[in-house]
Amino acid sequence: EAQVTQNPRYLITVTGKKLTVTCSQNMNHEYMSWYRQDPGLGLRQIYYSMNVEVTDKGDVPEGYKVSRKEKRNFPLILESPSPNQTSLYFCASRLGQGAGSYEQYFGPGTRLTVT
Amino acid sequence: GQQVMQIPQYQHVQEGEDFTTYCNSSTTLSNIQWYKQRPGGHPVFLIQLVKSGEVKKQKRLTFQFGEAKKNSSLHITATQTTDVGTYFCAGRMTTDSWGKLQFGAGTQVVVTP
Repeated sequence: EAQVTQNPRYLITVTGKKLTVTCSQNMNHEYMSWYRQDPGLGLRQIYYSMNVEVTDKGDVPEGYKVSRKEKRNFPLILESPSPNQTSLYFCASRLGQGAGSYEQYFGPGTRLTVT
Repeated sequence: GQQVMQIPQYQHVQEGEDFTTYCNSSTTLSNIQWYKQRPGGHPVFLIQLVKSGEVKKQKRLTFQFGEAKKNSSLHITATQTTDVGTYFCAGRMTTDSWGKLQFGAGTQVVVTP
C-alpha cells in the first residue's frame, strides 16, 4: 500500500531533550516536506526536500533540523525542544515537480507535547 | 505573517445548502491547491489550479482560480454530512521555489442535518 508513515504518533517530552520524528514513504517520491499544524494557523511548512541531499527552509525552520540521506526517509530533528514546539506535525511527499506530480500525500501526523 | 488568507474561518451549513470558502493571497501565485482534512485526520489533496481564470469541478465541488492569480474559491453545492471537515488552500508564490508552499488557516465546516 502506497503510504507515508510517521513515528511516533504521539510523544510527550521535556524541554531540552533531543528527539527525532521519523518519516518514510514507499512511493519513490523525490519531494518530501514537514509541516506543523496549530489552531488558527493552518499548516506551516518547516523544511522541504526536493531530492536526496537537497533540503531547504520553509516558513518556520527555527529550532528544527532535517536530513535526506536516502530517498524514502526524511527525519525531523528537534535538538533542544521547547514548549512552543508543542504541535501536530505532518510529513508529506509528492512525486516531483513535473505536470501530474504535484499531488501531495500526507502522513497520519505526530502529536508532540513539550513540557 | 501569513500571506495566504482564508475566509470564513468557520462555516455552519444546513444540509442541502450551498456555501463558498475564499482564499486570498497578497502576492501572485504560481498555482493553488485545495485540501480537505476530516476531524482527527490528515490533509487530503483535492485539486490543483494553475491557469488564470481556471475552473474545475469535482462532483458537487467547484474550484476557481482568479484572473490575477491572487485568489481562489471553493464552492460546494447541496452540502452533505460527509462534507464536514476543514478545507485548506495552499499556494506557491511566483517568487518561491517549486518546493515551497504556503497554506491558509483553513475553513472549518460544520454541517447540520
